[in-house]
Amino acid sequence: DAKTTQPNSMESNEEEPVHLPCNHSTISGTDYIHWYRQLPSQGPEYVIHGLTSNVNNRMASLAIAEDRKSSTLILHRATLRDAAVYYCILRALMNYGGSQGNLIFGKGTKLSVKP
Amino acid sequence: DAMVIQNPRYQVTQFGKPVTLSCSQTLNHNVMYWYQQKSSQAPKLLFHYYDKDFNNEADTPDNFQSRRPNTSFCFLDIRSPGLGDAAMYLCATSRDLAGAYEQYFGPGTRLTVT
Repeated sequence: DAKTTQPNSMESNEEEPVHLPCNHSTISGTDYIHWYRQLPSQGPEYVIHGLTSNVNNRMASLAIAEDRKSSTLILHRATLRDAAVYYCILRALMNYGGSQGNLIFGKGTKLSVKP
Repeated sequence: DAMVIQNPRYQVTQFGKPVTLSCSQTLNHNVMYWYQQKSSQAPKLLFHYYDKDFNNEADTPDNFQSRRPNTSFCFLDIRSPGLGDAAMYLCATSRDLAGAYEQYFGPGTRLTVT
């Protein structure tokens, strides 16, 4: 499985932008880049995903490097509610019945937000 | 507007006493997953169903079984829980197995084994 590398932890100030990096140097051409976050004592929550182009939604933006070997999740204005563990995961296109498309969680980045 | 519902949220069972955790979804998704998350660790996939087709991860212990009687419901059965099975169990759904589709998670069931 293609793996990702993320910093263990990051800190941000409230109402400032946050850039969470992810390296995935072994990404294949058909791997989607997914981001999930997990708030304390809750199930993971989908944030955003993309393949090649940058993506925006109501929660965040995803910037994907041209060579696709890295990506950055951007929270435009951090709030205290954004304090969570953020997981960057590669999800492969898969053959029916196989496991290649499953989410394989790494350790993620624990984001702390200071008031 | 809960989309993935897990019951109960907290479950206490005794060592060796079978326990069943429940998951239901209102999304009509084809795929349902079960993950195990131990304290301070990332979620680990146990198995998934694509419709009625079951796919077990290679390292999932035989002690863990699953049933999906219909599209909406999926159950996790732990036949003989050990102390090491104490964890948060997460159910998730996805429209399809392909990487283009995101997963939606339930709130989890925290299992305690005494």
